[in-house]
Amino acid sequence: SSELTQDPAVSVALGQTVRITCQGDSLRSYYASWYQQKPGQAPVLVIYGKNNRPSGIPDRFSGSSSGNTASLTITGAQAEDEADYYCNSRDSSGNPWVFGGGTKLTVL
Amino acid sequence: EVQLVESGGGLVQPGGSLRLSCAASGFTFSSYWMSWVRQAPGKGLEWVANIKQDGSEKYYVDSVKGRFTISRDNAKNSLYLQMNSLRAEDTAVYYCASERRTIAVAAYFDYWGQGTLVTVSS
Repeated sequence: SSELTQDPAVSVALGQTVRITCQGDSLRSYYASWYQQKPGQAPVLVIYGKNNRPSGIPDRFSGSSSGNTASLTITGAQAEDEADYYCNSRDSSGNPWVFGGGTKLTVL
Repeated sequence: EVQLVESGGGLVQPGGSLRLSCAASGFTFSSYWMSWVRQAPGKGLEWVANIKQDGSEKYYVDSVKGRFTISRDNAKNSLYLQMNSLRAEDTAVYYCASERRTIAVAAYFDYWGQGTLVTVSS
């Protein structure tokens, strides 16, 4: 089955822009979705499809994709954005779904 | 308001069994693929199993094949995960999640439950 690779940790200064990336073969065929997870809470969908935000997700969150890499960008990071972020996509080579290992975002 | 509420977790000895349930409300449960996703303590998310709307297709991650069984009861808006021959490495929070497949290449999990903790230990 495929794998999705994320950097384990990323930091950003308050109010600055940060990009979290996700690489994997499945992303050549499927869009990634992105989930935010804060300690002790369930994951929350923040980006899906080409660049779609569910209702209630701030517009500082955006997504993009090129080749085998998907990116989640937070423009003007806020303290409340500090969380773990996971990418996910369908997978045609084994299991129906694959998750990235997660990126811990620290807002300085 | 969409709600997914898991139950059935707890402490079980290695080799034991548990049955998790997920009660769905606020959406047309019978119209969606449903999944179980787990998260071991301090680790990332791992997809475990999913089931088609009518229960005719089921898929499992290799590590649980032959031990776990996913099922659903659309009349009760409920999803289940029967877990047998449990191992220490099955210790995790188990989430149920609804799959949105409106566009095949842009599918995602749109709603998640709060999770239920399964601890396998002697």
